Amino acid sequence: DAKTTQPNSMESNEEEPVHLPCNHSTISGTDYIHWYRQLPSQGPEYVIHGLTSNVNNRMASLAIAEDRKSSTLILHRATLRDAAVYYCILRDRVQGSARQLTFGSGTQLTVLP
Amino acid sequence: DAGVIQSPRHEVTEMGQEVTLRCKPISGHNSLFWYRQTMMRGLELLIYFNNNVPIDDSGMPEDRFSAKMPNASFSTLKIQPSEPRDSAVYFCASNTGTGSKVADTQYFGPGTRLTVL
Repeated sequence: DAKTTQPNSMESNEEEPVHLPCNHSTISGTDYIHWYRQLPSQGPEYVIHGLTSNVNNRMASLAIAEDRKSSTLILHRATLRDAAVYYCILRDRVQGSARQLTFGSGTQLTVLP
Repeated sequence: DAGVIQSPRHEVTEMGQEVTLRCKPISGHNSLFWYRQTMMRGLELLIYFNNNVPIDDSGMPEDRFSAKMPNASFSTLKIQPSEPRDSAVYFCASNTGTGSKVADTQYFGPGTRLTVL
């Protein structure tokens, strides 16, 4: 699986936007970009995914660079409940979903009141 | 739907004892994954099943670990004998496992926190 690089930690103020970056310079044409997050003492949960175009859902937005070598997860208004470890993960479109997720170290997001 | 169910939520045992962790995937899901999380190694896959068949067990640390999936609604992860270095949080996850759906979300259980003294 192609490797992703994320900052170890980031801080944000409550109710402000947060931009979580992810570098994936070796991404292949068949890789989807997925984001999961892990709240304290819980299992990981899906946030969003995309291939080439920017994506929005009720939780977040995903901005993908034109060359696809990087992406940014955007939380439009951070709340204290968004404090979590955020993982950027590449998943191969050809091999599909019946395979494991490969987690890196992720970004620990701290939200300050 | 109740989501992925794991039991027990916490387990404290002594070195050398047998430990069995249990998982009930979401109904209708065909793939089941066992992950382990430690501070040192993060989240890592131990084994996964597709349609109750083990597909990749390369992450199983050693012969002390074994996993079974006797039917579509139940899986176990057994450690015998347990050692202190097995202390970790063990997560079970499931998804529909439809090969062409790379967007298929994995749903994780709450985890079992294992402490081996």
